[in-house]
Amino acid sequence: EVQLVESGGGLVQPGGSLRLSCAASGFTFSSYWMHWVRQAPGKGLVWVSRINRDGSSTGYGDSVKGRFTISRDNAKNTLYLQMDSLRAEDTAVYYCAREGIVATIDCWGQGTLVTVSS
Amino acid sequence: QSALTQPASVSGSPGQSITISCTGTSSDVGGYNYVSWYQQHPGKAPKLMIYDVTNRPSGVSNRFSGSKSGNTASLTISGLQAEDEADYYCSSYTSSSTWVFGGGTKLTVL
Repeated sequence: EVQLVESGGGLVQPGGSLRLSCAASGFTFSSYWMHWVRQAPGKGLVWVSRINRDGSSTGYGDSVKGRFTISRDNAKNTLYLQMDSLRAEDTAVYYCAREGIVATIDCWGQGTLVTVSS
Repeated sequence: QSALTQPASVSGSPGQSITISCTGTSSDVGGYNYVSWYQQHPGKAPKLMIYDVTNRPSGVSNRFSGSKSGNTASLTISGLQAEDEADYYCSSYTSSSTWVFGGGTKLTVL
């Protein structure tokens, strides 16, 4: 069974940093592109970032470009999101997701809540 | 990276059919057949319902179907059931090698 389990969320002050992790199991992690998607409370889904199979290529949404960094450790079957210079508007549930079909996210984790507040 | 445009809400009675639209541009919906639809129940993770405009993943009911014309994609749910009540999001790959979601549509089964 495919499982994606996020961790690392919590309360952080504006301007602070946080690193999210996503532990993958039930599939060959190194064979898939991976994504982060976020959802602010009561709002819609927003694409955040993606990384290719070996980590050599990444992409970001305009709202996080230059502040967030996606990475992966295929030996540990783990995806990361380093979030710096956090703002109140970054408050959201962050989902780790697999691109199992070309250009399509097919599996999602349960999400981890990040709250940016003083 | 403007969000795709979806109606905020739609409703229908059990057994009826409803259609949710998703409007983008030639740089996303109109330019690629990489349109997906997701169902999200409150407090839950999204679930893939349609991919590549018209394809259903294994296990998804054939009451769900997708289509596209120009820059607008559509999700149709036929034979509405109470458990279909949820939020629905469209998504598309873009010419910038990014992904964009719609604002979401709340489906109410009357």
